[in-house]
Amino acid sequence: GDSVTQMEGPVTLSEEAFLTINCTYTATGYPSLFWYVQYPGEGLQLLLKATKADDKGSNKGFEATYRKETTSFHLEKGSVQVSDSAVYFCALGANTGNQFYFGTGTSLTVIP
Amino acid sequence: DAMVIQNPRYQVTQFGKPVTLSCSQTLNHNVMYWYQQKSSQAPKLLFHYYDKDFNNEADTPDNFQSRRPNTSFCFLDIRSPGLGDAAMYLCATSEMGGLGYEQYFGPGTRLTVT
Repeated sequence: GDSVTQMEGPVTLSEEAFLTINCTYTATGYPSLFWYVQYPGEGLQLLLKATKADDKGSNKGFEATYRKETTSFHLEKGSVQVSDSAVYFCALGANTGNQFYFGTGTSLTVIP
Repeated sequence: DAMVIQNPRYQVTQFGKPVTLSCSQTLNHNVMYWYQQKSSQAPKLLFHYYDKDFNNEADTPDNFQSRRPNTSFCFLDIRSPGLGDAAMYLCATSEMGGLGYEQYFGPGTRLTVT
């Protein structure tokens, strides 16, 4: 079945460091891929998405490229800020049915 | 702004006392979802509605029920909460299921069972 495997955390970085959070997927067909962010005590917010191979999603300095050949959708940011501290979830939207598959989440803490 | 609203944000109930969580949306989306999220875990889908069509996940306990009286509102009923049901409950909507249609989440209701 469809699934998402996400890099385990927690991840701790200094401000202005480069961030990569790995995400790989298994799917039949052509899913859509998403990154969601969850700040403490809040719901999930869509950070970025890509709906087909080679699409690049970007938002707030974060980027991720849908790579079919490596079945990956890694999240990157060139220079993290303290305000980026949150939990990041990679997710897959199956193209059959109304199913979403979440990764286990990666907790990021950015220290000044 | 169009949004997903959950009330209350924090709910305390007693062991075995029925509780209802509510969700409303102004997005006019036809799919609504309920997730349970425990600390440091990914959200776990409990069930979803595609319009009035109810879809229960196979491992959702019978203790959890849902109602969707109209497009805008959806309720989660926990008939006899146990200590293990303490969690964040997230409501989400999408325009349609599947390809390209992201889910929009509410802020969640944190349920405490005493």
